Amino acid sequence: KQEVTQIPAALSVPEGENLVLNCSFTDSAIYNLQWFRQDPGKGLTSLLLIQSSQREQTSGRLNASLDKSSGRSTLYIAASQPGDSATYLCAVRSLAGNQGGKLIFGQGTELSVKP
Amino acid sequence: GAVVSQHPSWVICKSGTSVKIECRSLDFQATTMFWYRQFPKQSLMLMATSNEGSKATYEQGVEKDKFLINHASLTLSTLTVTSAHPEDSSFYICSARDSGINEQFFGPGTRLTVL
Repeated sequence: KQEVTQIPAALSVPEGENLVLNCSFTDSAIYNLQWFRQDPGKGLTSLLLIQSSQREQTSGRLNASLDKSSGRSTLYIAASQPGDSATYLCAVRSLAGNQGGKLIFGQGTELSVKP
Repeated sequence: GAVVSQHPSWVICKSGTSVKIECRSLDFQATTMFWYRQFPKQSLMLMATSNEGSKATYEQGVEKDKFLINHASLTLSTLTVTSAHPEDSSFYICSARDSGINEQFFGPGTRLTVL
């Protein structure tokens, strides 16, 4: 059974700092991995999607890497801003099932960027 | 990106009543939709997967008679919480998979409070 773990559970940094969020998964047989942002009381916003054949994806100040063999992914945020404050969720889609299977979520990392 | 809407965005009801939540894919067809539940400070837990025109598949521990799912068209799925109790109070999020590009998009969520 696929399990997704995110470390740390919470992180507080001063504005301008670069930071890394970690995600690990137990079953390397994945279809893809996705990073989401969730603001309090809101739905999910997709940030980056990495296919199993890819090693990384970049969007603006965000860079996500994937090491499938070791079951790890990182989300790198450069020059953090207070507006980056949110909960960041990592989700893995396993190979099993129709069209790649279900999305399994980690517990999230709650990020606070202080001005 | 593709848009998924949910209605209502929040609902307060008395214990014992039933509540229906709608999930719509606005600009794409979704043969598969997913329903998640999220308790405060916790991650998303998959409740069930619904496929258009067939019965939903429920995750272990989710009562199918309590959480009725209907996916009658390629753009609409409904979740009905029957005989709601305070412990059903949660944030319910739906997701729709765009069959054409095999990517999942999330709705803004529905906050259910059962008094």
